[in-house]
Amino acid sequence: DAKTTQPPSMDCAEGRAANLPCNHSTISGNEYVYWYRQIHSQGPQYIIHGLKNNETNEMASLIITEDRKSSTLILPHATLRDTAVYYCIVRADYGNNRLAFGKGNQVVVIP
Amino acid sequence: DSGVTQTPKHLITATGQRVTLRCSPRSGDLSVYWYQQSLDQGLQFLIQYYNGEERAKGNILERFSAQQFPDLHSELNLSSLELGDSALYFCASSVDPSYEQYFGPGTRLTVT
Repeated sequence: DAKTTQPPSMDCAEGRAANLPCNHSTISGNEYVYWYRQIHSQGPQYIIHGLKNNETNEMASLIITEDRKSSTLILPHATLRDTAVYYCIVRADYGNNRLAFGKGNQVVVIP
Repeated sequence: DSGVTQTPKHLITATGQRVTLRCSPRSGDLSVYWYQQSLDQGLQFLIQYYNGEERAKGNILERFSAQQFPDLHSELNLSSLELGDSALYFCASSVDPSYEQYFGPGTRLTVT
């Protein structure tokens, strides 16, 4: 699976949109971009995933660049409960189905 | 609540002992995954089962084993425990291996 690069940490203002970047320059054509988050020591929580089109669900939006080498997770109105470690993971849709978690991005939402 | 349940929540045991961690996947999910999260290694994939069959292995030690039963619940067995096995153990499940995984709340294992 392709590797991803995320900032180690970032702060976001409560009530504002939080834009979380991820670079995955070696992504292959059959690899999806997945986002998970982990709040303190709870189990990781699935957020969203996409292949090449932008995706939106009730939690977030995922914007993938046209060349698919980077993506941005957008939390539209960050709340204090969104404080977590966010993981951007690239995963093939067949064969190796494991999730390879990196160090993630520690996001702190500030009041 | 993801729908994945894990028991027990906490486990404290001594070196050399053996423990069993249990996972019940979401209703309808056929695939189960086990992950280990320690302070120095982060979240690491251990093993995956699909409909009772082992599908993929990661960095799982020979002292560890797992299985998935006909009712689809899974157990992770850890034996000859060492201090370094102290970690959070997460189970995840998905409908199919190509679908997103949903994680349980984890079991915190402390080896003293």
